[in-house]
Amino acid sequence: QKEVEQDPGPLSVPEGAIVSLNCTYSNSAFQYFMWYRQYSRKGPELLMYTYSSGNKEDGRFTAQVDKSSKYISLFIRDSQPSDSATYLCAMGKSRGAQKLVFGQGTRLTINP
Amino acid sequence: NAGVMQNPRHLVRRRGQEARLRCSPMKGHSHVYWYRQLPEEGLKFMVYLQKENIIDESGMPKERFSAEFPKEGPSILRIQQVVRGDSAAYFCASSAEVVLTDTQYFGPGTRLTVL
Repeated sequence: QKEVEQDPGPLSVPEGAIVSLNCTYSNSAFQYFMWYRQYSRKGPELLMYTYSSGNKEDGRFTAQVDKSSKYISLFIRDSQPSDSATYLCAMGKSRGAQKLVFGQGTRLTINP
Repeated sequence: NAGVMQNPRHLVRRRGQEARLRCSPMKGHSHVYWYRQLPEEGLKFMVYLQKENIIDESGMPKERFSAEFPKEGPSILRIQQVVRGDSAAYFCASSAEVVLTDTQYFGPGTRLTVL
């Protein structure tokens, strides 16, 4: 069983839709949760970072963590074609410099 | 402030040759991480280094792969006697020294193709 599971998609939605991306994990030692966005042939860029259960909002993006269910989500409101990318969840076990464990990534396409 | 730099961006090697991938961290960053991304897969951790020290190499294959981060110059990921299964995108990330700031910033990657 993989430590982090993420539905690879692909996911295709119309512009303006609300997008929900999800990851589950099996290791309760994970305490820090991140979402990265990766455009084709580019490196990942950090979108959201959180370490507590609950919601964290940044503009059109909301990250949600449920440690009891070992489940994290990223919501994108008012989706734009420029949001089309692969979204990767990542997790770490401790604060400070550490290795990250990534999900497989979900390929998202927003159709104009 | 330049981001994480990686070169070359594309590298083609024949089976049995050596591949050298370079990574220059962001200015002021002293932690470097290497990840590998196979087609249609997420990133897999390989190694974490600080200047002149390997901190965690739990993701590195036991043979043919090595990494260094010298006092001066970029971090190097070396793959000896490459095989077709080494074809992948290799990403480097860096983070700052400060314990409470652990955000990893990624470079654009080196795409290795083994013929």
